[in-house]
Amino acid sequence: GAVVSQHPSRVICKSGTSVKIECRSLDFQATTMFWYRQFPKQSLMLMATSNEGSKATYEQGVEKDKFLINHASLTLSTLTVTSAHPEDSSFYICSARSGLAVTYEQYFGPGTRLTVT
Amino acid sequence: DQQVKQNSPSLSVQEGRISILNCDYTNSMFDYFLWYKKYPAEGPTFLISISSIKDKNEDGRFTVFLNKSAKHLSLHIVPSQPGDSAVYFCAASANRDDKIIFGKGTRLHILP
Repeated sequence: GAVVSQHPSRVICKSGTSVKIECRSLDFQATTMFWYRQFPKQSLMLMATSNEGSKATYEQGVEKDKFLINHASLTLSTLTVTSAHPEDSSFYICSARSGLAVTYEQYFGPGTRLTVT
Repeated sequence: DQQVKQNSPSLSVQEGRISILNCDYTNSMFDYFLWYKKYPAEGPTFLISISSIKDKNEDGRFTVFLNKSAKHLSLHIVPSQPGDSAVYFCAASANRDDKIIFGKGTRLHILP
């Protein structure tokens, strides 16, 4: 199956700083990438959908100025959590889909655990 | 408003027996349903799916049943194996290009 990687796998940062998370599709071209977050014992919540070369589409309630998404190439999307606060601590997961696939044929990365102190 | 509901947070099943994970949904527009399996500190991996035009889909030890009138689906794993211990997410989408809505997951423990 297709491989999606995330970096870093775990990050601890101080409140007020910014953190960048990378999502890469390793063996296919991902025209669309999705960013999710998951709180403990909760479902994966879609934050935004990004298409290569265009602005991301954010879900209702997700602050686009706080969660900056860049999808500059067909293999890389980044999520930057700006001015992080403790309530931003969560498990962030990206997924990727090739241009030929339908939405539900997404391949997920291993996730990034963000802890804001 | 939870559109995809997994009402059992956890389930324990003896190795070799059948595991049945249940899922209910509220949106009648959903026409594609998926099950994902997730290990700790890993992303979900696709397990099996079913289109709304079918009521059953089977893949090896995994079978998904869909009851559209009841807005209910279930995942059967038989026989259950130790490696099946994981969190299972039920998910649904309203059309081929729509976003996927996930349930909260059910943690399955396979007992030796």
